Amino acid sequence: GESVGLHLPTLSVQEGDNSIINCAYSNSASDYFIWYKQESGKGPRFIIDIRSNMDKRQGQRVTVLLNKTVKHLSLQIAATQPGDSAVYFCAEGEIGGGGADGLTFGKGTHLIIQP
Amino acid sequence: GAGVSQSPRYKVAKRGQDVALRCDPISGHVSLFWYQQALGQGPEFLTYFQNEAQLDKSGLPSDRFFAERPEGSVSTLKIQRTQQEDSAVYLCASSLEIGNIQYFGAGTRLSVL
Repeated sequence: GESVGLHLPTLSVQEGDNSIINCAYSNSASDYFIWYKQESGKGPRFIIDIRSNMDKRQGQRVTVLLNKTVKHLSLQIAATQPGDSAVYFCAEGEIGGGGADGLTFGKGTHLIIQP
Repeated sequence: GAGVSQSPRYKVAKRGQDVALRCDPISGHVSLFWYQQALGQGPEFLTYFQNEAQLDKSGLPSDRFFAERPEGSVSTLKIQRTQQEDSAVYLCASSLEIGNIQYFGAGTRLSVL
């Protein structure tokens, strides 16, 4: 079946550096993409989302890039801090109608911040 | 304001036992979702409600899984005759309406012995 996947299961970066987490998706009907952060023992927490009519969206210290041509999504975190250590999931959905109502999640990338 | 609340946080069940997991969504949120998260994996969609109507239950793994939201607010996920493969974290999420951001609860960790 179609699925969302991640290139790297673990990413280790130095505190203060920028992080880039990548995600590939395969459902061409998906029109909504979201990044969630999940810390141990907690539920996923919303970070940023983007619709398919955009290719870039910025938040506080985070930027999401969407490349529909190659079905690729990335999350950039600027000046990473110890509190950024967590597992990051990308997820996709179909808001335009006709598709499943739930989100499809990737397996996750564990971001580790080195002091 | 209060987020999505799930109870219990942890549940240990003997194989064959029935369990009921509760979700209190954010007040006013029309859409409610249940997901199952196995260890080391991303959440997997189980079912979706819009108000009291269960519009999608395509992700429920078997007929032992049943969900309800009778008054369009609190929802219960029931698993009958639990099996070891049911062990997972069960996450509930709510959104203002379909297509909006889904906010997740902390989940219920179910362990079936």
